Amino acid sequence: SQQGEEDPQALSIQEGENATMNCSYKTSINNLQWYRQNSGRGLVHLILIRSNEREKHSGRLRVTLDTSKKSSSLLITASRAADTASYFCASAIYNQGGKLIFGQGTELSVKP
Amino acid sequence: EAGVVQSPRYKIIEKKQPVAFWCNPISGHNTLYWYLQNLGQGPELLIRYENEEAVDDSQLPKDRFSAERLKGVDSTLKIQPAELGDSAVYLCASSLDGAGGQETQYFGPGTRLLVL
Repeated sequence: SQQGEEDPQALSIQEGENATMNCSYKTSINNLQWYRQNSGRGLVHLILIRSNEREKHSGRLRVTLDTSKKSSSLLITASRAADTASYFCASAIYNQGGKLIFGQGTELSVKP
Repeated sequence: EAGVVQSPRYKIIEKKQPVAFWCNPISGHNTLYWYLQNLGQGPELLIRYENEEAVDDSQLPKDRFSAERLKGVDSTLKIQPAELGDSAVYLCASSLDGAGGQETQYFGPGTRLLVL
């Protein structure tokens, strides 16, 4: 399988806590993207970090990228029950146009 | 602005029957993608179109799967004949111009297929 790896596979936290998800990929990339998927729905784009960037913020989201380790992390601060979803990282493979290789996802549950 | 539209949302068929999925991308988006998502897994690319041209179909099982994107807008994905293992969610996505590799992809809600 070409899929990247994410950990943890599942994460359960209380509202207000921070959630951290990690992603590893295998090849050189143009960028790395994070998506959210609510149960039974399509994927929603959260944030894109380019290969020459190390950290990016968007609202309560913070993404880091370490290309030497081929890894990325997504931090959601002050989590809310509405953040409950599956989170996927997707690596845009270098020199292959828009091809994305998705990880297997982290299932986040935020309890009120 | 409307998002990516897919139909049907759900489909139940018996094995060996044919099935087709339809996708209407966001207006103006040149690049269209079909993904397969198995339960508990991330999506896997089946085929990518730049306008009418299929530029990456390396993961499409061509013995039973086919796709087309006439006029570079709507697309259909067909399976004939369907097998039990084809039960999954089929996602369509589009982006403005995917060739550069820096574009956000916008996903439709998917078609959930169950093969009995």
